[in-house]
Amino acid sequence: AQKVTQAQTEISVVEKEDVTLDCVYETRDTTYYLFWYKQPPSGELVFLIRRNSFDEQNEISGRYSWNFQKSTSSFNFTITASQVVDSAVYFCALTTRGSQGNLIFGKGTKLSVKP
Amino acid sequence: SQTIHQWPATLVQPVGSPLSLECTVEGTSNPNLYWYRQAAGRGLQLLFYSVGIGQISSEVPQNLSASRPQDRQFILSSKKLLLSDSGFYLCAWDRDRTDTQYFGPGTRLTVL
Repeated sequence: AQKVTQAQTEISVVEKEDVTLDCVYETRDTTYYLFWYKQPPSGELVFLIRRNSFDEQNEISGRYSWNFQKSTSSFNFTITASQVVDSAVYFCALTTRGSQGNLIFGKGTKLSVKP
Repeated sequence: SQTIHQWPATLVQPVGSPLSLECTVEGTSNPNLYWYRQAAGRGLQLLFYSVGIGQISSEVPQNLSASRPQDRQFILSSKKLLLSDSGFYLCAWDRDRTDTQYFGPGTRLTVL
């Protein structure tokens, strides 16, 4: 069975602090895809990144970076120099061929960035 | 570019009333379409998905149904709403079942 665990329910930081959101996944499939989505107060889920299981390269996009480690089944997300606009709920998700493409979401981490 | 629309944005309905939520996608053809519900507590639950016109797969037994009358239109319905149907309903699309899913703005449903 596939599972995504986001152990941090809520995180609160002060602007300009760095923050890391943890994501641990479980799957027996060798081919799988990992995602991060952002859900601001408006509610819409905004796609941030997709990684496949064959590509363990870390990725950086501006203040955002992602650390994918198959050895620990983790796909962590770091925001550098956080800003108030980063306040949102962040979801990690997993899909595999074995799950017929169904997207398995973690429960989300609510990030509050205070000025 | 592709755009996904949902309406209405918000809805307040009495228990026992019918429901119809609509989702349409522009800028692509033959998308896979999905309905999710997000109840208070933030988790997202896949309700239905469709890989083509008239093809609907249900992920959980419930009071709701879905239909896909046109290639880029996905409808979520109920004949009689329950209190437990309250939540935030999100529609999504992708090109392939393991591709990135893109979400619409959502419909916030309150059943009183």
